[in-house]
Parts: sequence; structure tokens; C-alpha cells
Amino acid sequence: DAGVTQSPTHLIKTRGQHVTLRCSPISGHKSVSWYQQVLGQGPQFIFQYYEKEERGRGNFPDRFSARQFPNYSSELNVNALLLGDSALYLCASTAGPGGYQETQYFGPGTRLLVL
Amino acid sequence: DAKTTQPPSMDCAEGRAANLPCNHSTISGNEYVYWYRQIHSQGPQYIIHGLKNNETNEMASLIITEDRKSSTLILPHATLRDTAVYYCIVIPVGTGFQKLVFGTGTRLLVSP
Repeated sequence: DAGVTQSPTHLIKTRGQHVTLRCSPISGHKSVSWYQQVLGQGPQFIFQYYEKEERGRGNFPDRFSARQFPNYSSELNVNALLLGDSALYLCASTAGPGGYQETQYFGPGTRLLVL
Repeated sequence: DAKTTQPPSMDCAEGRAANLPCNHSTISGNEYVYWYRQIHSQGPQYIIHGLKNNETNEMASLIITEDRKSSTLILPHATLRDTAVYYCIVIPVGTGFQKLVFGTGTRLLVSP
């Protein structure tokens, strides 16, 4: 079975541009979470979506937005890119919203470089 | 969220057991201990989790103290491919929402 998949694997953008990152969860999983990992630090939580509804949001500006589709895949959008948005963006899926013993499984990530 | 404390780095010889400690002295009754690892530039990989009993799977063993204030991840026969950053995370369950709070983790270096 395929794990969590993310696209693209790498991306280069310039300041001020917009970017869309995509994630497909493990088959049967209905929840997707997004994390940002800046070089040298641990991943930081951005969003969690379950059944197309936002369940939680981390301390990120409104330039960051996301949505989840009926097939449970998800997009992360970042507007007005800043140099500091350069990071590895990780997607994780769980079967449910965070109930009993639900484990998050991560994808390989999308590495974004903003010039 | 309960906080965890881990040593920043550890070394282990290939073939020996690697014992990675984690302190979570403020853990609550509904919080599980999860371990993930991250090999350079890859997504975090789930290893194991537990509530209060010791757990074992094909990757590792998890030993949780009786008071649940600390735990140890054991890789019984470390290989070079186990070189990674290991994260100990405490997660409340049953809330309908799950956010992983990653600390700085322990950088494990397995040497020949």
C-alpha cells in the first residue's frame, strides 16, 4: 500500500509569489496535518483537517491556508512568500481526527526554497 | 502540552543496543508517549508508542517508568541506518484533535 505522498518534491520560488503544495493521505485515512520544518529545527504544526473541516491551526500568519477535498487529499497554500518560508513542508495522515491511539504517518515532504 | 526533555546527542557502536532517554515529568493521564525518528531530509518515521506498559515491535522497545515521568527507547541492535534524530513526543488522545509538538530531539550517531 502506498504511504503518504506529496508533490512536488522540490520547488523554487521568488519572494512575493504564491505556492501550492499537495498531499495524498494513506488510503482510508480521513485526517491530514501539515507541518513546517525549518533547517536545524523540529517540525512545527500548521494545520489539521478532518473530513474537510479545519480542526486546528498553529501559530502561522494568514498567508498560510489549506483545504481538504472530498477524496481526503489536501492542499497547502502560501501567499506572498518570504525568504523565511524556505523549509521542508511535511504532510501527515491519520485514520481519524486524533482519537484513541491514532498515529500520524508522514510523507517525504516538499522542500521549498524562496529566493 | 506536556514538554519532553532529551539529550541533544548520543553515540552508539554498530550492533550494540542504543538506549535513548526521555523525560516527561508533567505528563497527564490521557497522554501517550510517542517516538518518531527523522533520517536526514526525510519525513519523520513513526517508531512506537505507549501509555504505561512497556511496548515492543519490530523496530524497537519502549520502557515507561511506573510513575510515567520518563521513558527509554531501545534499539536492540543498532545499525548504521539507525543514525537519525529521534523525537520523544507526548500526545493527548481522545480529544478529536492531534498536534505533534516536536522538540529538538536526540541526534543518534551509530558508528562502525
